[in-house]
Amino acid sequence: DIQMTQSPSSLSASVGDRVTITCRASQSMSTYLNWYQQKPGRAPKLLIYDASSLQNGVPSRFSGGGSGTDFTLTISSLQPEDIAIYFCQQSYSVPLTFGGGTKVEIK
Amino acid sequence: EVQLLQSGAEVKKPGESLKISCKGFGYNFRNRWIGWVRQKPGKGLEWMGIIYPGDSDSKYSPSFQGQVTISADKSITTTYLQWESLKASDTAMYYCAKGGYRTGADSWGQGTPVTVSS
Repeated sequence: DIQMTQSPSSLSASVGDRVTITCRASQSMSTYLNWYQQKPGRAPKLLIYDASSLQNGVPSRFSGGGSGTDFTLTISSLQPEDIAIYFCQQSYSVPLTFGGGTKVEIK
Repeated sequence: EVQLLQSGAEVKKPGESLKISCKGFGYNFRNRWIGWVRQKPGKGLEWMGIIYPGDSDSKYSPSFQGQVTISADKSITTTYLQWESLKASDTAMYYCAKGGYRTGADSWGQGTPVTVSS
């Protein structure tokens, strides 16, 4: 199984800050990496697929990068509506696996 | 518009069986992987398994293999998640999601909360 390790587990930043979340895979998986946002009481929402492709309708302040084993999700200018938990997910091989999540709060 | 509509909340006793559903609208149901994700209260996401409705090929995560059954009826564009004997530890929110294998899961159901308590 591919293990996904996300860091940090939580962060607090000010509105307008640049925020970066990292996800490391236990083995190489090309760019089969997706990022999701989950707000309280809601289903997860796809933000980035294939490591760096922005899902339709997602604000351009979100971006993704990386390949192989190391990946990043960046929010270029944190907004109040970005308060959520963010999860990475590898779609390279079964069993599909998620990272543990990063809780983003406003300072 | 793509939509996944899940069945409603369930309250069951340990040992009871359960089958929850997820109906897909607005896309070619047969040709897209669809899966089930568990989220326990206050915890992260766990991918349980996925199915390809076109040929019913299914793949399970080891933690869920033998514990649940995922099936699909392409004639009514519906996928199912089934338990034969529920445990208290099955209490969680269950989501269906389109995609997730070799691509992102781009549509999600609204979730089905399952409570198992004596």
